[in-house]
Amino acid sequence: ETGVTQSPTHLIKTRGQQVTLRCSSQSGHNTVSWYQQALGQGPQFIFQYYREEENGRGNFPPRFSGLQFPNYSSELNVNALELDDSALYLCASSPRTAYNEQFFGPGTRLTVL
Amino acid sequence: GIQVEQSPPDLILQEGANSTLRCNFSDSVNNLQWFHQNPWGQLINLFYIPSGTKQNGRLSATTVATERYSLLYISSSQTTDSGVYFCAVENSGGSNYKLTFGKGTLLTVNP
Repeated sequence: ETGVTQSPTHLIKTRGQQVTLRCSSQSGHNTVSWYQQALGQGPQFIFQYYREEENGRGNFPPRFSGLQFPNYSSELNVNALELDDSALYLCASSPRTAYNEQFFGPGTRLTVL
Repeated sequence: GIQVEQSPPDLILQEGANSTLRCNFSDSVNNLQWFHQNPWGQLINLFYIPSGTKQNGRLSATTVATERYSLLYISSSQTTDSGVYFCAVENSGGSNYKLTFGKGTLLTVNP
């Protein structure tokens, strides 16, 4: 059974640029959620994708957007990067949208200069 | 939204000691998970425990959903247990698709 994978591992961007992060869900899981973890804080929910549609969203601006593909993999896109977007971005997959255990990938560490 | 409070924020132990980490939450939950975050940032699943008691080796957890708290017990701690421990809950209310995390407990186990 393959776990959740994310790419890239690390990324450095400058303010104003755009970035795309990728996530492959665990085998058999159809739901992907994205979280942002700032230094010294717990992860914060960004949004969830199920059946290629956004199923719920946290308190993040529209410049954070996502996609889910038919194979359940997902992308997180962030436009007009700001310094405060520097964080660890975590992807989690689960077998359904709620009432279940979520499994996390290793994360992508984004630095915005 | 639901509030999750973890205590203590920091804990320093000698190898071999036992510890108890606490997680309080402000509303009813469908799901409660305990994670260990390793130095590289990966969240390792320890327990999925919306209610009851579970044990896995030196670790055990208890959730009393009616009183809105969960406890994580670590016995005979080892230096490899060091790291941040997070409690995360899925609210029974409208936003039941997401996990809400506490701020974590930073555990340091010294040899």
